[in-house]
Amino acid sequence: GENVEQHPSTLSVQEGDSAVIKCTYSDSASNYFPWYKQELGKGPQLIIDIRSNVGEKKDQRIAVTLNKTAKHFSLHITETQPEDSAVYFCAASGGVFGNEKLTFGTGTRLTIIP
Amino acid sequence: NAGVTQTPKFQVLKTGQSMTLQCAQDMNHEYMSWYRQDPGMGLRLIHYSVGAGITDQGEVPNGYNVSRSTTEDFPLRLLSAAPSQTSVYFCASSPTASGNTIYFGEGSWLTVV
Repeated sequence: GENVEQHPSTLSVQEGDSAVIKCTYSDSASNYFPWYKQELGKGPQLIIDIRSNVGEKKDQRIAVTLNKTAKHFSLHITETQPEDSAVYFCAASGGVFGNEKLTFGTGTRLTIIP
Repeated sequence: NAGVTQTPKFQVLKTGQSMTLQCAQDMNHEYMSWYRQDPGMGLRLIHYSVGAGITDQGEVPNGYNVSRSTTEDFPLRLLSAAPSQTSVYFCASSPTASGNTIYFGEGSWLTVV
């Protein structure tokens, strides 16, 4: 089955600086890579996703890059703000349906220092 | 605008007891799933359903049963609770299983003593 590794497990960044979280996956058949943000006491919420036919996707301050050859993808947050503090999860899926068997990374706790 | 609703939010069980975690969505989503979240292990898929009457196992299905008699509801049953099932459980849904946004519920905190 799929195995997703996520680094770092914790990340502290000065407000206004950029944050980068990296994930690697094992199954070359995986084709859907979402990123989720989880605030304390809440369920995860999708913030951006990318499919294997695209190398980069951007949404305002958030971007995701995908390197299929190396089997890794990264989340980039620019101009960080205090409300970006949360736990971030990457995930990968290569099932027939996409969401069928989404495998999550172990999470990165991002702290934005004012 | 309820989205995905889970009940109960908190529950303490004794070893060997059974219980059902309820999950309901009001978005007419075909795909529903249950995850458990443990420290340092991310979210792991327990069971999922791609439509009413259809269920399948995820990564960690042992000790859990599910059914999907309606589109709206996807209950998770713990048959004989064990301390290893102490976890936070999340129900999720999406319009279909085809790589659509997954919407998570707020979670159910379960402690087995």
